[in-house]
Amino acid sequence: GEDVEQSLFLSVREGDSSVINCTYTDSSSTYLYWYKQEPGAGLQLLTYIFSNMDMKQDQRLTVLLNKKDKHLSLRIADTQTGDSAIYFCAERRPGYSTLTFGKGTMLLVSP
Amino acid sequence: EAGVTQSPTHLIKTRGQQATLRCSPISGHTSVYWYQQALGLGLQFLLWYDEGEERNRGNFPPRFSGRQFPNYSSELNVNALELEDSALYLCASSFGGEKLFFGSGTQLSVL
Repeated sequence: GEDVEQSLFLSVREGDSSVINCTYTDSSSTYLYWYKQEPGAGLQLLTYIFSNMDMKQDQRLTVLLNKKDKHLSLRIADTQTGDSAIYFCAERRPGYSTLTFGKGTMLLVSP
Repeated sequence: EAGVTQSPTHLIKTRGQQATLRCSPISGHTSVYWYQQALGLGLQFLLWYDEGEERNRGNFPPRFSGRQFPNYSSELNVNALELEDSALYLCASSFGGEKLFFGSGTQLSVL
């Protein structure tokens, strides 16, 4: 497909794990990214993974990459109410210095 | 270290007017990217400047233009404003293109 695809909405309870999924477009994409956007703010780079890696862990965040299926996921352990935000997946396609973004997944964490 | 700064935070214009948005990159970053975030459309790539030159532009009409100054700051100009130009305009900076860091954006409202 031409677009980076993400589900629009995810609701979890505080303390649970959250998994946000993304399907990107180009199996040759060199870097895949996760950004977080809180209301009224810009995008914060959460983490990113190079295409030759399958997994990357950074504190509560775990990124899994399946290049064959062009599938990227972000797992947030012990989700907190402060994690409520919109999460964007992005890819850097070969030959491009710009990033292509999905439309974002709104994560709502309830107490 | 200061992050990417954008001004103004909010801008209200009427149809047909011109808007000028400004961006200061992180110190040491030579690339500036502009994205438009309109409701329901996700982030759309507008323009990429590097070392004072326009390197790439997205699928936007020529009335969207900009420039990058010798100090690497950048301006985005939107001429002949239309109602559908109402959006959050995000600037990002990078050194080498591996990671993009975003500012908080300028909310442009066209009445």
